[in-house]
Amino acid sequence: DVVLTQTPSILSATIGQSVSISCRSSQSLLDSDGNTYLYWFLQRPGQSPQRLIYLVSNLGSGVPNRFSGSGSGTDFTLKISGVEAEDLGVYYCMQATHAPLTFGSGTKLEIK
Amino acid sequence: EVQLVESGGGLVQPGRSLKLSCVASGFTFSNYGMNWIRQAPGKGLEWVAYISSGSSYIYYAETVKGRFTISRDNAKNTLYLQMTSLRSEDTALYYCARDWSFDYWGQGVMVTVSS
Repeated sequence: DVVLTQTPSILSATIGQSVSISCRSSQSLLDSDGNTYLYWFLQRPGQSPQRLIYLVSNLGSGVPNRFSGSGSGTDFTLKISGVEAEDLGVYYCMQATHAPLTFGSGTKLEIK
Repeated sequence: EVQLVESGGGLVQPGRSLKLSCVASGFTFSNYGMNWIRQAPGKGLEWVAYISSGSSYIYYAETVKGRFTISRDNAKNTLYLQMTSLRSEDTALYYCARDWSFDYWGQGVMVTVSS
């Protein structure tokens, strides 16, 4: 199975600070169809996961543009440009290039 | 408005069975594949199973293969997960989510396997 390693596991930020989360894959996530099926989700406390980013860098519907995704191959990054209070929760990366689909272990964002 | 509503969870003894449902609304259910994902208490997310729009393609995680069966009834806009031979490690909040896009998730239904 593809292992996704997220760092850091805990992130503490002040309001307005820009932060990044890394997701490294044990295999390239470039599919034979040319797409890279790497997603980012936010799970706020007590809520279902919400998709933020799909196909590495595409912003989900209704997602604020302070969120951005980048990367290729095995290295990917989620950046939040100006953290807001509502951004607290656990962030997960997920790959759907290789079966079975796998998730990273999560990054908990705390607001200082 | 797209909605996915899971039901059917509860407390069940090890070795017993349980069937979860996910009722979809706000979109043409028969055009989309569907997933089940679970989350053990205090843990991360684990993909469980996928079924294509017409049920032609079905995939399972190794941890549930042979014990769980994903199915759907497009006439009833409903996704199912039949779970048999349940184990304590199957205790989790089970979510349904739409297609490979994972753009919509239900609120989840809790399954507790305990004697």
